Amino acid sequence: TQLLEQSPQFLSIQEGENLTVYCNSSSVFSSLQWYRQEPGEGPVLLVTVVTGGEVKKLKRLTFQFGDARKDSSLHITAAQPGDTGLYLCAGAGGYQKVTFGIGTKLQVIP
Amino acid sequence: DSGVTQTPKHLITATGQRVTLRCSPRSGDLSVYWYQQSLDQGLQFLIQYYNGEERAKGNILERFSAQQFPDLHSELNLSSLELGDSALYFCASRPGGGEGENEQFFGPGTRLTVL
Repeated sequence: TQLLEQSPQFLSIQEGENLTVYCNSSSVFSSLQWYRQEPGEGPVLLVTVVTGGEVKKLKRLTFQFGDARKDSSLHITAAQPGDTGLYLCAGAGGYQKVTFGIGTKLQVIP
Repeated sequence: DSGVTQTPKHLITATGQRVTLRCSPRSGDLSVYWYQQSLDQGLQFLIQYYNGEERAKGNILERFSAQQFPDLHSELNLSSLELGDSALYFCASRPGGGEGENEQFFGPGTRLTVL
């Protein structure tokens, strides 16, 4: 069973602060996705990373895939209240198997 | 709007009952996934269908079943409901069924409450 651990599980910060959340596994993934979910809604895809060491930027969000493709991080610069939500990582390993982490619940206080 | 639709939005029922949740994937997507999300367990993969056939199974109980129809919509049937089945149920779709970037597009979910 491929397990994805996300940390921290909860994070409450002030607007304007920077933060990093992590997604770790002992398994190698062929690709990894990050999603953001707001209460009562479905997860929305933010990014997919495929290559070990890959870095992708989406405005103030920076995603990195570990060299060994076992872990990933999401860094948010100058967080805003609109960034509040549950951040989920999902790893694709064997055929059809996609595993989701439990998520990091982020609250950005104005 | 992801293009994935789910009905109903909310469902309240009693223990022992049976319910059916419906999902329509994005136009052109052949794969449909079902997930259960509860507060303490995160997003749990239940089952995947690709072009009408079951492709992968996750932590799906025997009381639960699903199918994908020729028009590619899918239904998740939950029977002999228990209090612990109360959760958000999400459907997601993606274009293909093989290995790839595995990006999934989620519907808005059905909130099931079992009383």
